[in-house]
Amino acid sequence: ELKVEQNPLFLSMQEGKNYTIYCNYSTTSDRLYWYRQDPGKSLESLFVLLSNGAVKQEGRLMASLDTKARLSTLHITAAVHDLSATYFCGVGNNDMRFGAGTRLTVKP
Amino acid sequence: DVKVTQSSRYLVKRTGEKVFLECVQDMDHENMFWYRQDPGLGLRLIYFSYDVKMKEKGDIPEGYSVSREKKERFSLILESASTNQTSMYLCASRPGTGDGTQYFGPGTRLLVL
Repeated sequence: ELKVEQNPLFLSMQEGKNYTIYCNYSTTSDRLYWYRQDPGKSLESLFVLLSNGAVKQEGRLMASLDTKARLSTLHITAAVHDLSATYFCGVGNNDMRFGAGTRLTVKP
Repeated sequence: DVKVTQSSRYLVKRTGEKVFLECVQDMDHENMFWYRQDPGLGLRLIYFSYDVKMKEKGDIPEGYSVSREKKERFSLILESASTNQTSMYLCASRPGTGDGTQYFGPGTRLLVL
């Protein structure tokens, strides 16, 4: 059974700082997804990583995938308040499984 | 734009009631999914469907059933609601081809008293 583990579960950052969220998964998969969820809202797709070594960047967020290590990272550069949200990684070719989420709070 | 809609944003039911949660997508997607979201547990897969009249159990199917009579509609049924089914329920759909991105509905927050 595929298990997906995210850490940290809670992250409080100062504006302007950098940090990384980690997503580990237990079985082989070459597809990994990052989603963002704002309070009271549904999940919004951020990144799709489809091969080993894939790297995607959008603004202050950059995601990467290492399928051999079964690890994806979501790196935040120079955080701003607007990035405050919960971030989920999802893994799976057909039926996706998700991590528990990382609740990010960016403070001025 | 892909649109996934869910019949209710908030629902309050009593223990033992039969509850129907409806999900409709307008993009002709083959695959549809039901998750429940609980604090600290993330999203857990309840059931999914690859095609009309097809269904597959996810990780936590106990106490739930599903129905997919039409391609665009996927219903989640709680045969006899219990308090431990109080949760946020999220529906998602995905095309049969492409990069596999799932598109989520707004969610239904269900309270079982």
